[in-house]
Formats: sequence, C-alpha cells, structure tokens
Amino acid sequence: NAGVTQTPKFQVLKTGQSMTLQCAQDMNHNSMYWYRQDPGMGLRLIYYSASEGTTDKGEVPNGYNVSRLNKREFSLRLESAAPSQTSVYFCASSEAGVRDRFNEKLFFGSGTQLSVL
Amino acid sequence: SQQGEEDPQALSIQEGENATMNCSYKTSINNLQWYRQNSGRGLVHLILIRSNEREKHSGRLRVTLDTSKKSSSLLITASRAADTASYFCATDAPTNAGKSTFGDGTTLTVKP
Repeated sequence: NAGVTQTPKFQVLKTGQSMTLQCAQDMNHNSMYWYRQDPGMGLRLIYYSASEGTTDKGEVPNGYNVSRLNKREFSLRLESAAPSQTSVYFCASSEAGVRDRFNEKLFFGSGTQLSVL
Repeated sequence: SQQGEEDPQALSIQEGENATMNCSYKTSINNLQWYRQNSGRGLVHLILIRSNEREKHSGRLRVTLDTSKKSSSLLITASRAADTASYFCATDAPTNAGKSTFGDGTTLTVKP
C-alpha cells in the first residue's frame, strides 16, 4: 500500500520553463490537494479537488493549473515557472467528499523540491 | 492569511522531559488537527480534536482545545530523540470547509 506517491522528488527549472508534478493515491480517497511549503513556514493550499472532475482554488493559485485526471490522480502544472515558485510541493488526499463539511485526516506524499533559477 | 499560529517557533528539550506547543487561530472551527513533519518528509497526522471536545489523548500525546480562547495545545510526555520534528496545527473552519489551513509550525529538538 503506497499511499500518496509524488513524482519527481527533485526538479530544477529555468525561469519560463513549464513542468507538471504528478500525484497518485491508492486509498480510494475522494479529495486531493496541492500545497506548497516555503522555508520555515507552514503549508499553503494551491488547489484542491473534492471529487473527480472538480477543482477549486486555494490560497495561492496564481501561476498554477491542475487536472483531476481520475479519482487516483491529481496533477499540478506550472506553465511558466518563476523564481517565486521555488518551494517544496506536497500532494495530499483525504476521504472527505463533496458532501462532507470538513476534513478528518490528510495523507501526504513525500514532496517535490522545486528550484526555479 | 494563516489561520493557525504555533508558539513557540522552536523548542529544545532533553530526552524524558515534556514538550508543550501551542496553536492559536482566528475564526471558529469544525476541528483542529496536529501533524508531525520529520526533516525532508511529508506531514503525518497525529490527532484530531473536534470543536465540541476539550481534551484528547493518544499514547504520549495530549491535546487540549479552548474554543473561547481560540487556542489548542499539544503535550508530548516523556519525549524521545525520535520526537525531533516540526509540529503543525491545522484547522477546518465552516467558512472554508474541506480546506485545512496550516500554521507555521513549532520545531522541536529532543536531545539524547
């Protein structure tokens, strides 16, 4: 049982390049999330998806796009990377669905360390 | 803006001592959760306390919640070197349903 799997683990980009971070969960969870964590700080929500086919903006969505490909997979795309997007990116999932009013527990991947030069 | 703020930012103790860290938040919540993050890893869920609960225990962890003060505390008793990590509180608010909001964390160092 792998839980939440993120790829790649490390990535270096030049300003203006694009890339997609991949995330998959094998727990049959309804909701999936993308967070970023800057040094010495907590996590800030970029986008989330409460069910297959739906996505919503979080606190810091600018410069990112997401796709909920199916129930298992939720990808994060940087169309034109900027140095301000240098961060560690975490994907997470939870059982909570569209009808649930609140989360019970988030399961996290191990993160992608992204540097934009 | 961050909903939760942990205090202290950093805490260093000897093995066997108790560690207490606090979390304050700004708006009413449905529940509050504590997570642990080991260096270079993802977050791991520790414990959840609902807004109508005042205290919960899980092994060496004790969490309290005071909704009148909008604050929570996490107590780790008889700490071990393996408890060295960053600890984050996360809140789920009615106005932000389904989107857990994290504080900046407390970095705990337990010296052997």
